Amino acid sequence: AQSVTQLGSHVSVSEGALVLLRCNYSSSVPPYLFWYVQYPNQGLQLLLKYTTGATLVKGINGFEAEFKKSETSFHLTKPSAHMSDAAEYFCAVSGPPGGSQGNLIFGKGTKLSVKP
Amino acid sequence: KAGVTQTPRYLIKTRGQQVTLSCSPISGHRSVSWYQQTPGQGLQFLFEYFSETQRNKGNFPGRFSGRQFSNSRSEMNVSTLELGDSALYLCASSLVPGQGGTDTQYFGPGTRLTVL
Repeated sequence: AQSVTQLGSHVSVSEGALVLLRCNYSSSVPPYLFWYVQYPNQGLQLLLKYTTGATLVKGINGFEAEFKKSETSFHLTKPSAHMSDAAEYFCAVSGPPGGSQGNLIFGKGTKLSVKP
Repeated sequence: KAGVTQTPRYLIKTRGQQVTLSCSPISGHRSVSWYQQTPGQGLQFLFEYFSETQRNKGNFPGRFSGRQFSNSRSEMNVSTLELGDSALYLCASSLVPGQGGTDTQYFGPGTRLTVL
């Protein structure tokens, strides 16, 4: 069975500081990994995804994540936080497309606050 | 291209009633998935439809059901509502079933259901 653990339900950073949101996964098949962002009263927006190939994945809004198989991690980073980054972030895992584990399994989410 | 639309955006019902939520996928997308989001349980997969057939179902009671029409629009129904059904119900569409590769799931804004 697949699962996702996001360390820290709340993270607070100062504007301009590094953002690091942690995600560890468990999967019995080669994982596909995702980070989504949710702003208040909105749906989820895909930030980035890892399927195969390069382990450092760049996404929108300056975010990136690195797939580390040995550590079963897929942490999300951004060098310099902006006030507009304040939102809730979800890490998700799925199996390869077309398989029985093709649906998204989400972590509990990390709420990011950005202080001026 | 228009995004995923969900109607209604907000809904208030009382215990014992039933409710139907609607989701229109992005034009050309044939797969629709539904998720329930609550503060306690987070984001949980309900079911997935492709070509009017349910492909996958999450761990929810039979009171939760859905269907997909020939134009790929989907509805989900919850019968005999309980207080615990209060949640944000998110619909996501993708080109084909399963996740990964180009089969990214795009989420709608959700329907906020409150059960009194």
